[in-house]
Amino acid sequence: EPEVTQTPSHQVTQMGQEVILRCVPISNHLYFYWYRQILGQKVEFLVSFYNNEISEKSEIFDDQFSVERPDGSNFTLKIRSTKLEDSAMYFCASESGSGLLGGELFFGEGSRLTVL
Amino acid sequence: SQQGEEDPQALSIQEGENATMNCSYKTSINNLQWYRQNSGRGLVHLILIRSNEREKHSGRLRVTLDTSKKSSSLLITASRAADTASYFCATDPTGANSKLTFGKGITLSVRP
Repeated sequence: EPEVTQTPSHQVTQMGQEVILRCVPISNHLYFYWYRQILGQKVEFLVSFYNNEISEKSEIFDDQFSVERPDGSNFTLKIRSTKLEDSAMYFCASESGSGLLGGELFFGEGSRLTVL
Repeated sequence: SQQGEEDPQALSIQEGENATMNCSYKTSINNLQWYRQNSGRGLVHLILIRSNEREKHSGRLRVTLDTSKKSSSLLITASRAADTASYFCATDPTGANSKLTFGKGITLSVRP
């Protein structure tokens, strides 16, 4: 069964360092997302991406964050200068985009980021 | 309560019993979705119900939506120990961009 894969599963970094989290969405999906979940808190929307551009972003997704789809398969989230409060589980998700508006998101297993 | 608030926060039942979980929200929605998360794992989509639907079934799952009360319920019938997980409702206000707002989740424990 097709699945969303994320790497790394866990990354530890020093505050101020750049981090790139990678995702391979399901191959024929058109919409891509990043969500995050701080330990013990709600899953929060960060950004949605369609047709090679950001379609919507939350207030969390400030200038320190960027997303890219550098080739036909990868979808990356970059945090330019990490802060302690960026420590969280980051989930990538994709959606087929077919059918009615609003659909099932397929989530990856997540990348746990720990900022020291 | 905030958008997508579930209750109870935790539920412990015996295998074979039914589990009912509720979700309330504040603003209008295009659809509401339920997800499951095993500890330390990713989110798994369970079921989606649109604002013009009242009830939906999928296997042992039954979800209802009452837009007048801005609430939804998820019923898992004949629960199994493997159903032990956290369950989240998520609201989608427009159906575009799938900018989901998740609740805090319900921790379900099913005792064998």
